[in-house]
Amino acid sequence: AQTVTQSQPEMSVQEAETVTLSCTYDTSESDYYLFWYKQPPSRQMILVIRQEAYKQQNATENRFSVNFQKAAKSFSLKISDSQLGDAAMYFCAYRSLENSGYALNFGKGTSLLVTP
Amino acid sequence: GAGVSQSPSNKVTEKGKDVELRCDPISGHTALYWYRQSLGQGLEFLIYFQGNSAPDKSGLPSDRFSAERTGGSVSTLTIQRTQQEDSAVYLCASRPGTVSDTQYFGPGTRLTVL
Repeated sequence: AQTVTQSQPEMSVQEAETVTLSCTYDTSESDYYLFWYKQPPSRQMILVIRQEAYKQQNATENRFSVNFQKAAKSFSLKISDSQLGDAAMYFCAYRSLENSGYALNFGKGTSLLVTP
Repeated sequence: GAGVSQSPSNKVTEKGKDVELRCDPISGHTALYWYRQSLGQGLEFLIYFQGNSAPDKSGLPSDRFSAERTGGSVSTLTIQRTQQEDSAVYLCASRPGTVSDTQYFGPGTRLTVL
């Protein structure tokens, strides 16, 4: 089974600054999807951004962008112009396209604190 | 449109009792997943339903856990003879059904076993 590692249990950023959350994964597959989900205290998992492995271009969604390094099996999330509402747990997730069901494999998460 | 809903929001039970957790997926979504999130951990896959096919139960941690999906819509996760280690947030997600689709999550049920 694929493993997803988030090596930063906690991160802190000042409002309006930029922060990068790290994620690495282990797979022997050539095609797959990668996701970043945000979980605020409400527990609702919210999709932040997703990346198809066959696409070389890094995905971008407004202030959120990724640095996808396929050979290095690295998928970091950059949050620009951080806002207080960005404070949450962030989970990196991998989805195989080769097993049935396409369930997500999650990392253990990074808690992001945004300070005024 | 309405998102994925789950009930109850919180459930406190005594060790040894059975509990049922409910999930209402987004209308029209054929795929439904249950995940468990223990304190300080990521999400752990439990079970997957796709249409009328037999569910993928490969993630269920023990035979005390079971789930069903009636009419291809609402799903119920049942935990029999609950143990303290079952305390966690149980999250449900649904997906429209094609390979590229994203999973959409409900708010979860926080289960506390005393």
